Amino acid sequence: AQSVTQLDSHVSVSEGTPVLLRCNYSSSYSPSLFWYVQHPNKGLQLLLKYTSAATLVKGINGFEAEFKKSETSFHLTKPSAHMSDAAEYFCVVSEGYGGSQGNLIFGKGTKLSVKP
Amino acid sequence: EAGVVQSPRYKIIEKKQPVAFWCNPISGHNTLYWYLQNLGQGPELLIRYENEEAVDDSQLPKDRFSAERLKGVDSTLKIQPAELGDSAVYLCASSRRSGGDEQFFGPGTRLTVL
Repeated sequence: AQSVTQLDSHVSVSEGTPVLLRCNYSSSYSPSLFWYVQHPNKGLQLLLKYTSAATLVKGINGFEAEFKKSETSFHLTKPSAHMSDAAEYFCVVSEGYGGSQGNLIFGKGTKLSVKP
Repeated sequence: EAGVVQSPRYKIIEKKQPVAFWCNPISGHNTLYWYLQNLGQGPELLIRYENEEAVDDSQLPKDRFSAERLKGVDSTLKIQPAELGDSAVYLCASSRRSGGDEQFFGPGTRLTVL
């Protein structure tokens, strides 16, 4: 069965410094992987997705993630944090087969805090 | 285009009372999902609809939860009777099709059971 593990429940950075949110996945198949962001009292928004094309995926708001099969990782990065990036981030894998194909499996989330 | 609409945004009820949540997906989206999000956790799928058919309800606690999508558009999720442990955020999402299309999420309904 597919699963994702977000290695940090909380990450705190200063504005203007790099962001790294870590995610490892487990999958028997070539996975589809996503990062979603959830701002308080707002719906989840897709940041980026990997679907077996380029291993470096660029998303919205300057975020990107790199798929590393050898490390089973899909870490999210951004060169310079902005105050508006403060939110909860979810690493997600898509079920790959059978009747559950396309169902999303979410990690537990990483809360990103950005200090001025 | 309008996003996924959910109502109510907040609901407070006494335990053992019934409660219902409503979701209107993005126009033209055939697939509709209901998720449960407990505090400090990621969302977990409850049920997935393809048009009006529930194609995956394996995670729906059927003793107290029910859902319907009668005309293949909007959907209702019901809990009867509610228990203290049902306090959570209930999210609705939609996509054009299943199988990997991007899912668009509504703002959710925050349920508090007293």
